[in-house]
Amino acid sequence: QQQVKQSPQSLIVQKGGISIINCAYENTAFDYFPWYQQFPGKGPALLIAIRPDVSEKKEGRFTISFNKSAKQFSLHIMDSQPGDSATYFCAAESTGRRALTFGSGTRLQVQP
Amino acid sequence: EAQVTQNPRYLITVTGKKLTVTCSQNMNHEYMSWYRQDPGLGLRQIYYSMNVEVTDKGDVPEGYKVSRKEKRNFPLILESPSPNQTSLYFCASSTNRGLRQNEQYFGPGTRLTVT
Repeated sequence: QQQVKQSPQSLIVQKGGISIINCAYENTAFDYFPWYQQFPGKGPALLIAIRPDVSEKKEGRFTISFNKSAKQFSLHIMDSQPGDSATYFCAAESTGRRALTFGSGTRLQVQP
Repeated sequence: EAQVTQNPRYLITVTGKKLTVTCSQNMNHEYMSWYRQDPGLGLRQIYYSMNVEVTDKGDVPEGYKVSRKEKRNFPLILESPSPNQTSLYFCASSTNRGLRQNEQYFGPGTRLTVT
């Protein structure tokens, strides 16, 4: 049973465009929603995270939009660059349990 | 440099031969965790530890053991590896306190092949 569903599986965007990755969750106990970025041959690295008391968080070109009633959250990458080409994972955690549940990942390719 | 290290990085073994993958962190983190990454499935948690001598099962614990005798180390033990444990394994750590709790730092990964 996949508790965090992520789409699309892969995404091709032109340089300068907007990349959008979507996730939906089921467990209403989740209270922490991070996005991780993974380059080939490396471990995932935290990119940006949000808690459900806010609907949006922005850090540079990266923005998380959060819709608590729909149980959905998304990552927007503005002005996408070839260096953003990586696999992105959404995740969710209940702070009380500390068990991070990941989505299946999105492979982003930004073409120059 | 703050980091999580794993050894070995690559391992090919045969079915049934016991193996241990080590994980160490130098950030004085209380929380440590093991994940496996498989294509199309993302990362799935195997075991986690909130602190020394405190461990708990994640989503896919079958076939694995862990121990947490020291704060910095969290080894993953496969007593009798099977081919379905062929995967990419990641160790991660984080603090349990303050605003930076939940931020997990991942190691570089261990690619395991069981034949």
